[in-house]
Amino acid sequence: GAVVSQHPSRVICKSGTSVKIECRSLDFQATTMFWYRQFPKQSLMLMATSNEGSKATYEQGVEKDKFLINHASLTLSTLTVTSAHPEDSSFYICSASDRGLRNEQFFGPGTRLTVL
Amino acid sequence: QKEVEQNSGPLSVPEGAIASLNCTYSDRGSQSFFWYRQYSGKSPELIMFIYSNGDKEDGRFTAQLNKASQYVSLLIRDSQPSDSATYLCAVKDSSASKIIFGSGTRLSIRP
Repeated sequence: GAVVSQHPSRVICKSGTSVKIECRSLDFQATTMFWYRQFPKQSLMLMATSNEGSKATYEQGVEKDKFLINHASLTLSTLTVTSAHPEDSSFYICSASDRGLRNEQFFGPGTRLTVL
Repeated sequence: QKEVEQNSGPLSVPEGAIASLNCTYSDRGSQSFFWYRQYSGKSPELIMFIYSNGDKEDGRFTAQLNKASQYVSLLIRDSQPSDSATYLCAVKDSSASKIIFGSGTRLSIRP
């Protein structure tokens, strides 16, 4: 149980384009989803927290207009990187939790974004 | 600023020995504590959670929690080469829905 999927697993795009990443909870309802970014050999950096049906809460220093998050249902959240630049190249990972799971977060497999 | 501190390592342990990973946290109100394992290029995987003071055992893994000292640890018995990974300590923020992660300890099990 507690499976989280992400799509796509890998994406390469040109600078200036937008990329959408989907995160789905497959066997539970995710009241809260989290988006992280991880650069090589560095720790996870929380970008934003999203609750179903409400606006995402962004961490300090994360541009909300650049990283658009939508959590339209209890099983799906999307992250759109708008006007991507090479410095946005990173490993993006979502996680999901449900109050019934006692605050545990379950991670998706991650999306590796490369911006040329 | 709430923090979770871990020694970055690398921690090198011979195969079959006990690996001991430690973590301290600053949020005194935290009630939920987690250990994640992350292999290179992969996302973190939850391996243990603990909510009460004391020890919690699951197979070769034992999590230890001391809230008074704000200290969490993970013991891995009979270490295997497949245990080589980065171990992330995580603490539930007492005033928000998020989890605060440490920077991770890199563990290497040498044959």
